[in-house]
Amino acid sequence: DVKVTQSSRYLVKRTGEKVFLECVQDMDHENMFWYRQDPGLGLRLIYFSYDVKMKEKGDIPEGYSVSREKKERFSLILESASTNQTSMYLCASRKNMGVSGYTFGSGTRLTVV
Amino acid sequence: GENVEQHPSTLSVQEGDSAVIKCTYSDSASNYFPWYKQELGKRPQLIIDIRSNVGEKKDQRIAVTLNKTAKHFSLHITETQPEDSAVYFCAATDSWGKLQFGAGTQVVVTP
Repeated sequence: DVKVTQSSRYLVKRTGEKVFLECVQDMDHENMFWYRQDPGLGLRLIYFSYDVKMKEKGDIPEGYSVSREKKERFSLILESASTNQTSMYLCASRKNMGVSGYTFGSGTRLTVV
Repeated sequence: GENVEQHPSTLSVQEGDSAVIKCTYSDSASNYFPWYKQELGKRPQLIIDIRSNVGEKKDQRIAVTLNKTAKHFSLHITETQPEDSAVYFCAATDSWGKLQFGAGTQVVVTP
């Protein structure tokens, strides 16, 4: 069973801080994704990665960056946290771009004060 | 790009009744349509999916139908139970193969 682990379940950070959200998957998946989830807006794609060292912007990349130095780890970085980045962040992975679904992590509830 | 619309946003049903959630998509190249269930405080989990070469798929009390011509697909839950209460998301692949999600449907099953 694929496991996608997000390092923190809850996180509280101050405005202006640099924030790192970590995601690790244990099934050698090529594709990894970062979403944010807000009430009424569903799941919005921030960044994704086809494979190690690769990254692509999603629908709402502003204020975020990512790092994928190893295949199993995909990090989301908030360069300078702002209150409008308070949200639930979900990481997901998939074997490769094709006809298959994602496996999601449990999410990180980030509050920026 | 792909645009997925989902209706209704909330759905209240009596236990034992059926629930239907509908989604439309815009990209005719979409070829994979999964449905996810997210219980309160938990991760979204894949409950059923359908590929573009299939019109209908059933798994116990849940079924999904796909109409490629009209570009819409639906989730049907029969004999609803309290544990079916959750947020349900539909999704469709875009031209890059990644999933575009609908906004979600909050389903409440009342005893």
